[in-house]
Amino acid sequence: EVQLLESGGGLVQPGGSLRLSCAGSGFMFSSYAMSWVRQAPGKGLEWVSGISGRGGSIYDAASVKGRFTISRDNSKNTLYLQMDSLRDEDTARYYCAKDRGYGDGGLNAFENWGQGTMVTVSS
Amino acid sequence: DIQMTQSPPSLSASIGDRVTITCRASQAISTYLNWYQQNPGKAPRLLIFGASTLQSGVPSRFSGTGSGTDFTLTISSLQPEDFATFYCQQTYKTPVTFGQGTKVEI
Repeated sequence: EVQLLESGGGLVQPGGSLRLSCAGSGFMFSSYAMSWVRQAPGKGLEWVSGISGRGGSIYDAASVKGRFTISRDNSKNTLYLQMDSLRDEDTARYYCAKDRGYGDGGLNAFENWGQGTMVTVSS
Repeated sequence: DIQMTQSPPSLSASIGDRVTITCRASQAISTYLNWYQQNPGKAPRLLIFGASTLQSGVPSRFSGTGSGTDFTLTISSLQPEDFATFYCQQTYKTPVTFGQGTKVEI
């Protein structure tokens, strides 16, 4: 059974940093692209960043480019999101999602999701 | 960026109703269109990928059609667990973008 477990969320002041982690199990982690998707309270889904299976291709939304960095450690079956220069508008639940496409291709469809970790940016 | 526009933003329906939600892309995206369901307090769930392929484990009352710019999600007979918010998503080009959601209410 595929499982994705996010951690690392919390309360941070504007301008601060957080690193989110997503531990994957039940599948060949290095063979699937992964993404981070966020959802502000009461709002819709917003894709944040994606990374190919081997990490060679990275994709970012304009709203986080230059501030957030997605990475993965396939030896630890873990996806990361380093978030710097945080803003009030980054407050959201952050989900990691496993792509359904096998191999080192681009983003396809998000087949499995974690339960998310809440990030609150506030002074 | 490719804009995804869903309609209606919300709808009221009853158990057993046939429900149709539409999604329009701001440019042609072939069939790189996916549909998700999100129940309150839960993570999204993939329903349909490639515009019309049912994800494993998803009931057959869900179906999707379309290509290019216009897509539809149909629920043939609404069940209690289908009262949720539905999102379309394009993966034709990054940035990946979602529609604003359609809330299906009683």
